[in-house]
Amino acid sequence: DAKTTQPNSMESNEEEPVHLPCNHSTISGTDYIHWYRQLPSQGPEYVIHGLTSNVNNRMASLAIAEDRKSSTLILHRATLRDAAVYYCILNRQGAQKLVFGQGTRLTINP
Amino acid sequence: NAGVTQTPKFRILKIGQSMTLQCTQDMNHNYMYWYRQDPGMGLKLIYYSVGAGITDKGEVPNGYNVSRSTTEDFPLRLELAAPSQTSVYFCASSSWTGANYGYTFGSGTRLTVV
Repeated sequence: DAKTTQPNSMESNEEEPVHLPCNHSTISGTDYIHWYRQLPSQGPEYVIHGLTSNVNNRMASLAIAEDRKSSTLILHRATLRDAAVYYCILNRQGAQKLVFGQGTRLTINP
Repeated sequence: NAGVTQTPKFRILKIGQSMTLQCTQDMNHNYMYWYRQDPGMGLKLIYYSVGAGITDKGEVPNGYNVSRSTTEDFPLRLELAAPSQTSVYFCASSSWTGANYGYTFGSGTRLTVV
């Protein structure tokens, strides 16, 4: 499985944008970039995913570098409820499973 | 729409006891998964299934068994519980399209083996 590298922790302020980076230099052409988050004492929650183009949904935006070796999850206006561990995962078509790393623990200051 | 439902939410087992963690999904997803999460760690895949009657091992299958007799249900069996199996267990499901689809997770079963 191709690996991803994320910072262990990040901190931001409420109502400000947050940019969570992820490096995946060994990504292959059939790897989808998935983001999940895990709020305290809850199961992981799907956030967004993409292949080559930038993606937007009601929760966040995903910006994918042109060479696909890195991506950024963007929370446009952080709230206290966005404090969670965010996982960037490469999901290869045909691989049939997600492999989780350690993720980034995001702290939001009031 | 209930999504992925796990029962029980909490359980304390004595060493050597057995139990089954239940997982049911109502989204007609073909793919189902069992993960465990130890304190402060990421999730590790125990077993997964790509459809009824088909199961395969993940990263940490030892001490566990699974079966998939229906599309909806994917129970996880612990035989001879050990303290090392103290963890939070999450079940998840995804559609047949696999990588181009998000996974839905249950709320977890917190298991303590004493």
